[in-house]
Amino acid sequence: AQSVTQLGSHVSVSEGALVLLRCNYSSSVPPYLFWYVQYPNQGLQLLLKYTSAATLVKGINGFEAEFKKSETSFHLTKPSAHMSDAAEYFCAVMLARSRNQFYFGTGTSLTVIP
Amino acid sequence: ETGVTQSPTHLIKTRGQQVTLRCSSQSGHNTVSWYQQALGQGPQFIFQYYREEENGRGNFPPRFSGLQFPNYSSELNVNALELDDSALYLCASSFSVGGPTLNTEAFFGQGTRLTVV
Repeated sequence: AQSVTQLGSHVSVSEGALVLLRCNYSSSVPPYLFWYVQYPNQGLQLLLKYTSAATLVKGINGFEAEFKKSETSFHLTKPSAHMSDAAEYFCAVMLARSRNQFYFGTGTSLTVIP
Repeated sequence: ETGVTQSPTHLIKTRGQQVTLRCSSQSGHNTVSWYQQALGQGPQFIFQYYREEENGRGNFPPRFSGLQFPNYSSELNVNALELDDSALYLCASSFSVGGPTLNTEAFFGQGTRLTVV
């Protein structure tokens, strides 16, 4: 079975500080991993994805994530938080060779303090 | 704006009733997936339709059913509603032929907020 665990349901950072959102996966085969962002009363927007190419993946809005097989992790980072980054963030794993069938973590709510 | 439209945006139903939620996929997309997002939780995969046929199902009972039409729009039907069915229901569309490098990005609609009382 494939699953993801997001450590920390709530994370607060000061504006301009480093953002680090943690995601660990459990998979018996090489996974395909994604980070999505959800703003209030909206659907999900893709931030970035890992599909077995480069282990360091760059996404939109200055976010990036590094796939570490030895740690089974895919943590999301951003060097400098902006107020507009406040949102809910979801890590997801996709079934291999599936047609975009995602299994999501429980989410991390990011608060940015002015 | 993703091009994926869901209707209605909000809905209140009584326990035991039936409900139909609709999703209009982005033009050119052939795959629609449905997710249930309970309050404070991540979305859970319900099922997926690919070219009008069910192509995968999550851990949901048979009272959750769906359809995909020739224009690739889709419906989610839930019978015998229970209080725990209260959630945000999301659909996502993409063009896919199988395999992570062959799928286009999945675009999500804004969801339908279902409240069961």
